[in-house]
Amino acid sequence: DTGVSQDPRHKITKRGQNVTFRCDPISEHNRLYWYRQTLGQGPEFLTYFQNEAQLEKSRLLSDRFSAERPKGSFSTLEIQRTEQGDSAMYLCASSFRADLDYGYTFGSGTRLTVV
Amino acid sequence: AQKITQTQPGMFVQEKEAVTLDCTYDTSDPSYGLFWYKQPSSGEMIFLIYQGSYDQQNATEGRYSLNFQKARKSANLVISASQLGDSAMYFCAMRARGGKLIFGQGTELSVKP
Repeated sequence: DTGVSQDPRHKITKRGQNVTFRCDPISEHNRLYWYRQTLGQGPEFLTYFQNEAQLEKSRLLSDRFSAERPKGSFSTLEIQRTEQGDSAMYLCASSFRADLDYGYTFGSGTRLTVV
Repeated sequence: AQKITQTQPGMFVQEKEAVTLDCTYDTSDPSYGLFWYKQPSSGEMIFLIYQGSYDQQNATEGRYSLNFQKARKSANLVISASQLGDSAMYFCAMRARGGKLIFGQGTELSVKP
């Protein structure tokens, strides 16, 4: 078990382009969370999945954002028509549903820069 | 509304001394969990310590201890015997409904040799 993996680590894109990030959680974890962290701020919740079901979406997740977790394994986060305000670190975390007291494991994040 | 507040944007501590990072929280839920994470410049969030709302004793993990004062709604992190490698951002977080974490704004700790 190598922990939570995120790909790519860094992404530079031009405004208006679409980008997709991938998160591979710890294999036995059934919950997967996406957070966004802007410079100098704490992470903000975007959405989470239990297995393949997307159970909650934050108001931060505009129509340009979409997340999927097919087959309850890896997850993708797509941003369409990127804007400069989308520049941030996107963090993924996974956990057991029944072990929320300790079981959050974070990936190293994908740093997005929109130019 | 559930909220975490960290009022210290930056802190300095001399190597080998102890330091306290402040965290206050707001929630109406009787059951909740409080976490502290360390985020080095590389970006990953490293779990340090957890305190459950019904835990009678303050949590401890090695050099980390959590000073939990439920009536004051505070959950301060105490780092004893600071090391140069402790220099990083520190985030307090609360487990909210559905299991998502709500984070504070963070405190940047700098350890001086």
